[in-house]
Amino acid sequence: DQQVKQNSPSLSVQEGRISILNCDYTNSMFDYFLWYKKYPAEGPTFLISISSIKDKNEDGRFTVFLNKSAKHLSLHIVPSQPGDSAVYFCAARGNTGFQKLVFGTGTRLLVSP
Amino acid sequence: ETGVTQTPRHLVMGMTNKKSLKCEQHLGHNAMYWYKQSAKKPLELMFVYSLEERVENNSVPSRFSPECPNSSHLFLHLHTLQPEDSALYLCASSLQEGLEQYFGPGTRLTVT
Repeated sequence: DQQVKQNSPSLSVQEGRISILNCDYTNSMFDYFLWYKKYPAEGPTFLISISSIKDKNEDGRFTVFLNKSAKHLSLHIVPSQPGDSAVYFCAARGNTGFQKLVFGTGTRLLVSP
Repeated sequence: ETGVTQTPRHLVMGMTNKKSLKCEQHLGHNAMYWYKQSAKKPLELMFVYSLEERVENNSVPSRFSPECPNSSHLFLHLHTLQPEDSALYLCASSLQEGLEQYFGPGTRLTVT
């Protein structure tokens, strides 16, 4: 049973446009959400996070939105750049017991010039 | 460069071999993790060490055996693996449990 789902395995966007990556979760006990970016032959790199007490967090070109009622998380990248082409994973942390991260399957973003 | 290194980067081993994966973090973190990433599957947490004590073992087969001799080093000892164990094995660390994790580049393991 997958608690964190990224239903789009891939996304193609033109340079300069907005990229929107989506993530849905099922566990209402998650209290912290993260996005990671992964290039081939490298480990995931932490990108941005958001606490469940907020609905938006912004860092430069990256903004994460959280809709708790819909159990939905999204990452907006604007403007998109070719160097943003990578696999993006969302992850969620539970707030009971051991606070491990649960990851989605990832979305491959391709930004074309 | 995330401050987490893993060796080897690639490993091919037979089902009767014994090998070890090594992870080292230079970040002063207190928690370290082993993950398995198989194709088209989410990252699977295997083991967690916090302050050198194992705090999580996600029903991992005994052919995988972790070792954490100190807060900077983590090993994954492998023996009598199966072909389905072929995957990317990622090490990560965090300042403490539940905070942002920093990943190493991974070891691509192929079991023949």
